[in-house]
Amino acid sequence: QKEVEQDPGPLSVPEGAIVSLNCTYSNSAFQYFMWYRQYSRKGPELLMYTYSSGNKEDGRFTAQVDKSSKYISLFIRDSQPSDSATYLCAMSSPSSGSARQLTFGSGTQLTVLP
Amino acid sequence: DGGITQSPKYLFRKEGQNVTLSCEQNLNHDAMYWYRQDPGQGLRLIYYSQIVNDFQKGDIAEGYSVSREKKESFPLTVTSAQKNPTAFYLCASSIRTSGNEKLFFGSGTQLSVL
Repeated sequence: QKEVEQDPGPLSVPEGAIVSLNCTYSNSAFQYFMWYRQYSRKGPELLMYTYSSGNKEDGRFTAQVDKSSKYISLFIRDSQPSDSATYLCAMSSPSSGSARQLTFGSGTQLTVLP
Repeated sequence: DGGITQSPKYLFRKEGQNVTLSCEQNLNHDAMYWYRQDPGQGLRLIYYSQIVNDFQKGDIAEGYSVSREKKESFPLTVTSAQKNPTAFYLCASSIRTSGNEKLFFGSGTQLSVL
């Protein structure tokens, strides 16, 4: 079993829809949670970062962490065609807090249709 | 503009050949990383370097080598010992904030075997 599981998609939604992207994890030591957005043939860019349970909002994006269920989500409101990309979740434990200890999900490919 | 520059964007390797992927950053970050990305898989760490003249193996270092002679540069050599080199290679650097490191990625190099 992988430490981090992410629905691979592909996910296709109409413009304006609410999108839910999800990851589950098995390592209870994970405390830092990140979402990266990766456009085709580009490097990932950090979208959201959180280290506590609950919700964190940034514009149209909301990151949700449920440590009791070992489940994290990224919600995109009013989705736009420009949101079409692959979304990667990543997480690490506080014992290092180091990027070298980051564990990535396999990514969910999202397409927002105009 | 500050950032991470990877070159070339596309690279082809003949059997038995060593090839070198370039990574340069002007973000003044101490730590740099090389990841490999295969379709349907998460990013896997090849090598990382915390400071100049020092580097450590990641999860999949076999068949790869690196050097870190300058803070700005972290080239990756894919040797002939790497039997399955076709992948998208990502270079990253990191900065520590709020007790955790955040990664910043280059645009990647697609390596293919002729």
